[in-house]
Amino acid sequence: GAVVSQHPSWVICKSGTSVKIECRSLDFQATTMFWYRQFPKQSLMLMATSNEGSKATYEQGVEKDKFLINHASLTLSTLTVTSAHPEDSSFYICSARYPGIGNQPQHFGDGTRLSIL
Amino acid sequence: GENVEQHPSTLSVQEGDSAVIKCTYSDSASNYFPWYKQELGKRPQLIIDIRSNVGEKKDQRIAVTLNKTAKHFSLHITETQPEDSAVYFCAASRTGGGNKLTFGTGTQLKVEL
Repeated sequence: GAVVSQHPSWVICKSGTSVKIECRSLDFQATTMFWYRQFPKQSLMLMATSNEGSKATYEQGVEKDKFLINHASLTLSTLTVTSAHPEDSSFYICSARYPGIGNQPQHFGDGTRLSIL
Repeated sequence: GENVEQHPSTLSVQEGDSAVIKCTYSDSASNYFPWYKQELGKRPQLIIDIRSNVGEKKDQRIAVTLNKTAKHFSLHITETQPEDSAVYFCAASRTGGGNKLTFGTGTQLKVEL
């Protein structure tokens, strides 16, 4: 149980392209999902919290117009990197909060390795 | 906001030995502490978690201890095996904090034959 699917796993594209990443909870409903960015040999840095049916909450320093988040259903959140540039190249990982009261485990997708040429 | 420190950054043990990774947190309101294992290029996997109403939790070879007074928690792996080699992250969150996790900096564990 608690499976989170993330697609695509790898993207290589030209500078200026917009890239959409999908995060799906396959066997549970997730009212809250999270998007992280991870640089090589570093920890996970939270970018934003995605709440179903409402606007995402972005962490300080994360450009909301650059990283568009949509959480239109209880099982799907998307992250769109708009007009991507080489500095946006990174490993992006989503997680979904397991349902329940109080703090619940977050279960992660496989991540998306984004390379902007 | 919450700050989580993790030590050591790298840890090398012989197969069969025990490994201990320690984390400290700053926010006394934090009450949920999960540990994740991440193999190279893969997703972080939840291996164990503990809530602030207990001081210790064990699952086979893995155990976590929590000292709320000192604001630190530790991961203990006994009888280590080569497949335990990975990066381990501790994290902390609190009720009412949007369920956001603050992660430690990670520990690269290497289990040598």
